[in-house]
Amino acid sequence: AQKVTQAQTEISVVEKEDVTLDCVYETRDTTYYLFWYKQPPSGELVFLIRRNSFDEQNEISGRYSWNFQKSTSSFNFTITASQVVDSAVYFCALDRGSTLGRLYFGRGTQLTVWP
Amino acid sequence: GAVVSQHPSRVICKSGTSVKIECRSLDFQATTMFWYRQFPKQSLMLMATSNEGSKATYEQGVEKDKFLINHASLTLSTLTVTSAHPEDSSFYICSARDLGQGGYEQYFGPGTRLTVT
Repeated sequence: AQKVTQAQTEISVVEKEDVTLDCVYETRDTTYYLFWYKQPPSGELVFLIRRNSFDEQNEISGRYSWNFQKSTSSFNFTITASQVVDSAVYFCALDRGSTLGRLYFGRGTQLTVWP
Repeated sequence: GAVVSQHPSRVICKSGTSVKIECRSLDFQATTMFWYRQFPKQSLMLMATSNEGSKATYEQGVEKDKFLINHASLTLSTLTVTSAHPEDSSFYICSARDLGQGGYEQYFGPGTRLTVT
């Protein structure tokens, strides 16, 4: 069975702090994809990153970075020097990689960045 | 990037009436679209997978007769909430896969907030 766990329900930080959002997944598939989405108060999901199971390279995009470790089934997301605009709910999701394409979402982490 | 639109963005209806929500892929073709429901402060739950030209596949616990899904073309899927009740009030989000990107890219619509009074 597929499962995504985001143990942190809510995180509050002060602006300029670094923050890491945890994501642990379960799957028996050898080919799969992992995603992070941002959902601001408007509700629209914003795609942040997609990573396939064969690519364990860490990725950095501006203030965002992702650490993918198959050994621990984790795909953690770090925001460096957080800003108020980063306040949102962040979802980690798993795609089995088949043509079915359904996403299994974690429960989400509400990040609040205070000025 | 690919764009998925939803209409309407917000809708308020009276209990017992039906509401139709449209999901369109604007600049790509999508043989498969997905419908999710999200309750306040909760995650997205897949309701059904919509395949162009065939019947939708519903997730366990989702009433097929209440949530009618039609995927008549490669760019349009509709979700009709029939005989809506207050407990159907939720945020409905659709997504579509872009075949041109190998089918792995999935794009989400902006969502439709349904309120049943």
